[in-house]
Amino acid sequence: GAVVSQHPSWVICKSGTSVKIECRSLDFQATTMFWYRQFPKQSLMLMATSNEGSKATYEQGVEKDKFLINHASLTLSTLTVTSAHPEDSSFYICSANPAGGISYEQYFGPGTRLTVT
Amino acid sequence: GNSVTQMEGPVTLSEEAFLTINCTYTATGYPSLFWYVQYPGEGLQLLLKATKADDKGSNKGFEATYRKETTSFHLEKGSVQVSDSAVYFCALRVSNFGNEKLTFGTGTRLTIIP
Repeated sequence: GAVVSQHPSWVICKSGTSVKIECRSLDFQATTMFWYRQFPKQSLMLMATSNEGSKATYEQGVEKDKFLINHASLTLSTLTVTSAHPEDSSFYICSANPAGGISYEQYFGPGTRLTVT
Repeated sequence: GNSVTQMEGPVTLSEEAFLTINCTYTATGYPSLFWYVQYPGEGLQLLLKATKADDKGSNKGFEATYRKETTSFHLEKGSVQVSDSAVYFCALRVSNFGNEKLTFGTGTRLTIIP
């Protein structure tokens, strides 16, 4: 149980285009989902926290107009990288906090590797 | 601010060797401490946790003790197996009025050779 999927697992896009990454909790409902970014040999950096039905909370330094987050249902959150540039190339990971679960209980997706050419 | 420092990898050990992956932290307040493991192609999984000083977390033969005096949470296993090959992340969480953010270390890649 407690599986989180991400789609796609790998995507290449051209500079200036937008790309959407989906994060789904497959067997539980998630009131809160988190989006992380990971650079090579660096730790996961929290980008934003999304709560179902409300606006996402972005971490300091993260451009909310560039990284659009939508948490439309209790099982789906999406991250859209708008007008992507090569410096946006990274590994994006989501996690989900089960509804009514223990606050530290986050289940992670396998990640999406984005390459912007 | 909060931060986690863990030993750089990669770490390569022979099967049945003793494993230690060092982790130290700085935090405002009283953190809970975690070790996560990421197997190839999979998401991070919680390996073990400790929520207060002197607590020992354990799971699958791995152990880590919350040492407040040295601000450390080192991961140990007495006899590693090939199946333990993965990336290990140390993390902390300081509750802040419901803001339950996790702060991660950089990860340590562990490879066990038969």
